[in-house]
Amino acid sequence: GENVEQHPSTLSVQEGDSAVIKCTYSDSASNYFPWYKQELGKRPQLIIDIRSNVGEKKDQRIAVTLNKTAKHFSLHITETQPEDSAVYFCAPRKGEGYSTLTFGKGTMLLVSP
Amino acid sequence: KAGVTQTPRYLIKTRGQQVTLSCSPISGHRSVSWYQQTPGQGLQFLFEYFSETQRNKGNFPGRFSGRQFSNSRSEMNVSTLELGDSALYLCASSLGRLSSYNEQFFGPGTRLTVL
Repeated sequence: GENVEQHPSTLSVQEGDSAVIKCTYSDSASNYFPWYKQELGKRPQLIIDIRSNVGEKKDQRIAVTLNKTAKHFSLHITETQPEDSAVYFCAPRKGEGYSTLTFGKGTMLLVSP
Repeated sequence: KAGVTQTPRYLIKTRGQQVTLSCSPISGHRSVSWYQQTPGQGLQFLFEYFSETQRNKGNFPGRFSGRQFSNSRSEMNVSTLELGDSALYLCASSLGRLSSYNEQFFGPGTRLTVL
């Protein structure tokens, strides 16, 4: 199955700084790369995703970049705010023929005012 | 549109018992997936149901089973509960199958405690 690693496991930044979380995967057939945000006590929510035919995607302060050759993709958050504090998960997956779904272990982002 | 709902929200059981959790997807969504979330293992995929058929299964023992009804509502059953089954069980619904890049919408989860 897919081996997914997320780094770092914890990230502390000051408000206004940028944050970068990296997700490395093993299955070269993966072609869909989402990031989820889970605030404390809340349900996970999709915040951004990218498909394998695109290298980068932006949505206001968040962006995702993909390096298919190196098999990793990253979440970038600029101008961080305290409400960005949460656990972020990656969950790369492939299309037809996949048998399971693997999430990264999560990155806890803490943004201090 | 109403979001994904799960019942019950909290449950306490003892070892050896069985439990059934319920998930109602967003109206029109046909795929329901189930996940186990624990501090140690994170989010782990249990199974996906689409059109009343299990389409994919994660690496969990046969004590974990599920089903989906014609209205897309899904239930998950865990038999012979073990202490290690204590977790937050999340379901997520999507319009189509996970293999088709469909966005998943998560429910609030059922917190299961096994004593």
